[in-house]
Amino acid sequence: DQQVKQNSPSLSVQEGRISILNCDYTNSMFDYFLWYKKYPAEGPTFLISISSIKDKNEDGRFTVFLNKSAKHLSLHIVPSQPGDSAVYFCAAWGSEGNKLVFGAGTILRVKS
Amino acid sequence: DTGVSQDPRHKITKRGQNVTFRCDPISEHNRLYWYRQTLGQGPEFLTYFQNEAQLEKSRLLSDRFSAERPKGSFSTLEIQRTEQGDSAMYLCASRSAGGPGTQYFGPGTRLLVL
Repeated sequence: DQQVKQNSPSLSVQEGRISILNCDYTNSMFDYFLWYKKYPAEGPTFLISISSIKDKNEDGRFTVFLNKSAKHLSLHIVPSQPGDSAVYFCAAWGSEGNKLVFGAGTILRVKS
Repeated sequence: DTGVSQDPRHKITKRGQNVTFRCDPISEHNRLYWYRQTLGQGPEFLTYFQNEAQLEKSRLLSDRFSAERPKGSFSTLEIQRTEQGDSAMYLCASRSAGGPGTQYFGPGTRLLVL
């Protein structure tokens, strides 16, 4: 039962352009969402989060959008840089549990 | 200390052996989590501590797995009688008290069971 889904296994973007990573969830109890970036052989690094009471949160080049009615969130990276190449995980936190539920990840490749 | 640390970073063992991993969380964090990640998947929750109390365990955590956090600081995860299916990255994360919050991950321990 995959409660958090990242349907695009990989994404390739030209340097300087926008990267858009998508995430869908099924559990309406989720009320806090996070994006993590992961390089090979390292642990996930926190990028940005959003509470369900908001529909947008911005931090520098990173913006997360939340559409609660569609149970969908997206991460926008503008402009994309080669150092952004990594695996990006969407994660959700719900009040019924103390754990994060992760998607399977999207591999982002930014070409220079 | 500015982050979560894990030891060892890599472990190769033979099937049937026992292994133990250690996690040192960020010092002011009272919540500690263990996750397991296999190739092509996101991290999957294993267990959760609030201070020294183990409050939640996943059904993924079979009776061969045990975790402790004896003094509410560092934690250990032991796998007894390892199987090839236990090969994975074992991740530790910590966070501070209060509502939903960011979990900060360590670098992980990569386990290979031969």
